[in-house]
Amino acid sequence: DAMVIQNPRYQVTQFGKPVTLSCSQTLNHNVMYWYQQKSSQAPKLLFHYYDKDFNNEADTPDNFQSRRPNTSFCFLDIRSPGLGDAAMYLCATSRDGGTPYNEQFFGPGTRLTVL
Amino acid sequence: AQKVTQAQTEISVVEKEDVTLDCVYETRDTTYYLFWYKQPPSGELVFLIRRNSFDEQNEISGRYSWNFQKSTSSFNFTITASQVVDSAVYFCALRGSNYKLTFGKGTLLTVNP
Repeated sequence: DAMVIQNPRYQVTQFGKPVTLSCSQTLNHNVMYWYQQKSSQAPKLLFHYYDKDFNNEADTPDNFQSRRPNTSFCFLDIRSPGLGDAAMYLCATSRDGGTPYNEQFFGPGTRLTVL
Repeated sequence: AQKVTQAQTEISVVEKEDVTLDCVYETRDTTYYLFWYKQPPSGELVFLIRRNSFDEQNEISGRYSWNFQKSTSSFNFTITASQVVDSAVYFCALRGSNYKLTFGKGTLLTVNP
């Protein structure tokens, strides 16, 4: 089945220790998104790639970076995780050809714990 | 600015009851899209439906139905004969002329046996 895959499902890191979360997709979608979701809150968009073009949200901290080496893979790098970065990180994809953007398909998420 | 309001934070029902989840939205865009997503305890957001602003036809899919009314800016979701497996957080979301998906705060539905 075509899907969005996130690894690992659970990640524990130490305060200030860089961590990378990965996302891959077999849907061949051209847009990939990273969201942060804290407990009992709605997902918050961090950034997205439209093809190779990176689009950062204005309020995304510099501590969060992303890489998309090819269509299938996208990475979220947290350079110096703080306690406030503990959250569920959701990757999503959509197929879009200009506007409007179509529905997004989400992966299972990576739950990040910062000690 | 876009806004989605899900006034019901939590709903609890007994299995086989019908339940309606409310969603009210605000946008200045004339073309926009509305979505419902389900988030079970496992965490994955599952896409349920997309409606565009020009299509006010109600939709039924099995036990799920959606009522879109532009006059009241509402896009409500009804589950008929609820089941325990329906227990999840349900998010209503809106996308206007730009790429950004604006989510409501979600409604936690608990279906008790």
